[in-house]
Amino acid sequence: DTGVSQDPRHKITKRGQNVTFRCDPISEHNRLYWYRQTLGQGPEFLTYFQNEAQLEKSRLLSDRFSAERPKGSFSTLEIQRTEQGDSAMYLCASSSTSGSSYNEQFFGPGTRLTVL
Amino acid sequence: GNSVTQMEGPVTLSEEAFLTINCTYTATGYPSLFWYVQYPGEGLQLLLKATKADDKGSNKGFEATYRKETTSFHLEKGSVQVSDSAVYFCALRGFNKFYFGSGTKLNVKP
Repeated sequence: DTGVSQDPRHKITKRGQNVTFRCDPISEHNRLYWYRQTLGQGPEFLTYFQNEAQLEKSRLLSDRFSAERPKGSFSTLEIQRTEQGDSAMYLCASSSTSGSSYNEQFFGPGTRLTVL
Repeated sequence: GNSVTQMEGPVTLSEEAFLTINCTYTATGYPSLFWYVQYPGEGLQLLLKATKADDKGSNKGFEATYRKETTSFHLEKGSVQVSDSAVYFCALRGFNKFYFGSGTKLNVKP
């Protein structure tokens, strides 16, 4: 299966700890997106990359959040000094700017974060 | 700015009933419109899309028509099945990112 994968699927941490999530996009996709989804809501945009460049960050992305895509392939999302309000599902999606599925986003299964 | 509003759920139907989930949008320019479906414990899957006014997207018996005059993209299915039980999200793509509605949970009873 060459879909979008995310690791870990679940993470439980204590308030104040740092956590890091990984996303592996579909291999030929040059764009990668991070979203946050809270219970009963739709995904909210956090940030996106085109290749290794981070082109946009949402105001939702406080300075405790940082994302990287160093080689234009996988990406990591780190949350420092976690707070209970960070508890959510973190979704990754990828897309291509060419081809028949131009700009369709393909989502991974998500990482569910619980901050105690 | 860009935003999507969809009807609140849950929507509960009997098998073989007709489904409509309303979606309206606000956008600058001419966005592409999408419906995604999310099954429990899974990520979002693209259900259908429409890229310009009057386009009809369809997949697995679901349909939605891009109505520019009413800024709507309502999802319909003529005969729902128990396996259609899921959360449905309407979305638009604008300025290289997606804007999602809050989702509508569909429960289909046998």
